[in-house]
Amino acid sequence: GENVEQHPSTLSVQEGDSAVIKCTYSDSASNYFPWYKQELGKGPQLIIDIRSNVGEKKDQRIAVTLNKTAKHFSLHITETQPEDSAVYFCAAIPTGTASKLTFGTGTRLQVTL
Amino acid sequence: GAGVSQSPSNKVTEKGKDVELRCDPISGHTALYWYRQSLGQGLEFLIYFQGNSAPDKSGLPSDRFSAERTGGSVSTLTIQRTQQEDSAVYLCASRTEAVNTGELFFGEGSRLTVL
Repeated sequence: GENVEQHPSTLSVQEGDSAVIKCTYSDSASNYFPWYKQELGKGPQLIIDIRSNVGEKKDQRIAVTLNKTAKHFSLHITETQPEDSAVYFCAAIPTGTASKLTFGTGTRLQVTL
Repeated sequence: GAGVSQSPSNKVTEKGKDVELRCDPISGHTALYWYRQSLGQGLEFLIYFQGNSAPDKSGLPSDRFSAERTGGSVSTLTIQRTQQEDSAVYLCASRTEAVNTGELFFGEGSRLTVL
C-alpha cells in the first residue's frame, strides 16, 4: 500500500516569511495529492490539490509542486499570516479502485508576530 | 446542518467498556470514512463505505473495532472492551462522488479518552 512521509513535523516562521512543507510517497500509481489544513479543535479541510498531469498549481498565497520522478510534492505558503497557524497534512491516492486516502503525519505550522 | 456531524464530541470511559461513536454525513454523500488521530499523530484510516458496496475494513486495528452504515447515511463506529491505547480523536468524513479524488469533508471529531 501507499506510504506517505511528511517533513518537518513542526515549523515556526515569522509573519510575512514563507513556509515549505515536503512529502514523499511510495506508490508510483498515486496520481492525486491533496493538502488539508486542520485548525485547533476542527476537522481537516481541503486547501489545495494537484494531479499528476501538472507539475505546479497555485491559489493566491498557496502553491503545490509535484515531482513524479522523485515521488515528492511540496506545499508552499508565501507571506504567512497568523491565521495560517495550523496542522497541515499531505495525502496521496491512486485514482481508480483504491479507496483510502493515505495521509502524512502532519506538520504543525506556527506563524509568529 | 450543512456539514458532517459527529457525536459525542467528547467521551470518557473506563477500560473494558464499550463505546459507540456516531457520524451523520452530508446529505447525498455516498462515500463515508472513519479515521483515527492519536495525539500528535497523523490520520490513520480505519474503514470506508461506498454506496451499497462491501466496506473496506482494512484499517480496523483489531476485531474490537466495527462499524456500520445504515440506510446509506448515518454510521456508527463501535469499540468493544476499550483499551487505553484506543484514546484518540475519531474523525468521520464524507465525499460526494464515487470517484475517489473528490474532496473529503470532515466532522470535528469525537475525542475518546479511556481511563
